Parts: sequence; C-alpha cells; structure tokens
Amino acid sequence: AQSVTQPDIHITVSEGASLELRCNYSYGATPYLFWYVQSPGQGLQLLLKYFSGDTLVQGIKGFEAEFKRSQSSFNLRKPSVHWSDAAEYFCAVGSGGYQKVTFGTGTKLQVIP
Amino acid sequence: DAGVIQSPRHEVTEMGQEVTLRCKPISGHDYLFWYRQTMMRGLELLIYFNNNVPIDDSGMPEDRFSAKMPNASFSTLKIQPSEPRDSAVYFCASSTSGRQRYGYTFGSGTRLTVV
Repeated sequence: AQSVTQPDIHITVSEGASLELRCNYSYGATPYLFWYVQSPGQGLQLLLKYFSGDTLVQGIKGFEAEFKRSQSSFNLRKPSVHWSDAAEYFCAVGSGGYQKVTFGTGTKLQVIP
Repeated sequence: DAGVIQSPRHEVTEMGQEVTLRCKPISGHDYLFWYRQTMMRGLELLIYFNNNVPIDDSGMPEDRFSAKMPNASFSTLKIQPSEPRDSAVYFCASSTSGRQRYGYTFGSGTRLTVV
C-alpha cells in the first residue's frame, strides 16, 4: 500500500528565508507525487506534480520539488518565502493508472516578519 | 470555469438529523472524490466515482454514510443519522483521466458541525 510521511508538523521561517518541507513516500513502483497547499478555510490547491522525466519539478507560486528515488523523498522548496505562503502543505502519492491518491498529514507553515 | 462547487459551506445540525452535502464537479472531469478532514485523522478518502459509478467506498466509515452520483454534474454525500463525531470538513474534488490527469481540483469544503 502507498503511504506518505511528512515528519514536520509545524515549521516557522522568517520572511525572505528559504524553505524546505520534507516528504517521504512508500510505494513499490514509480510513484506519482504531488504537493498541495491549503489556506485557512479553503480547499487544497495543487502546487506541482511529478510523473516522470526531470526529477526537479517547477510549480506555481515559485515552488519547486525534487524527486529522489534513492531516498524515497519529494521535498518542497522555495528560495524566498513570502508572508502569503503561510498555510498548510500536503504531500501526496498516487500510482499510475489508478486515481486514488494518499495524502500526508500536512505541515503547517508559519511565516514571521 | 467556476471550479468545484460545494454546498452548503457550513452546516450545523442536531444529532440524529439527516445531512446532505452537495458537489458539482468541473465540467468534463470524469472522477469525483469525497474526502473528510479532521484534526485527528487528517484527510481521509471516503469514496470516489468514475463516470458516475462508485469505484472504491472502502473509506466510508459506516452504513450511516452514503454517496450518490446521479449524473456527471452532481454528487451527494448523505449522513443519516448524524452523530457529533461526524463533525469535520468534507471536501469534494474532481479530476480527469485525460491529458491533465492526476491534478485534483478541490472544492472549498463543507464544514459540518453536529451538536
């Protein structure tokens, strides 16, 4: 069965600092990987996704993620965080040909001035 | 496109009452998902449909929960009778098996409070 682990429940960063959110997945074959963001009172919005090819994926809002098969990781990064990035971030894994996606427990990002 | 539309946004009901949550997926999307989000359990997939047919309902917690998709543009999630432990935010999401597959689009959710 596929699963996702987000080891950090809360992360606090200063505005303008770099950000890395960790995600580790468990899946037997090549996974389909996603990052979503949820602002308070809102649904989840897709930031980026990885299916195959280039292991560095660019997403919206200046985010990127790198797929590392050897580490079973798909960490999310942003070089300079803005106050509006404060939200909860979810990593998710799916499998080819199968629409069911499993979400991690989320990492809540706080941005301080 | 207006996105995935859920109604109502908030629902407060008394224990034992029937609750119906509604969802309109994005036109052309052939997959529809119902998720429940709580602090304790995070995001749980309850059920999903493909071309209006339920594919996997293994996440539906009990017989009190039922979901239908009578046509491609409408789905309901019903809880009868409701209990306080059903209080959560319920999300509907849709996606397509076409070229843009695997990008779920979520609705804004229905916050359900059962008192």
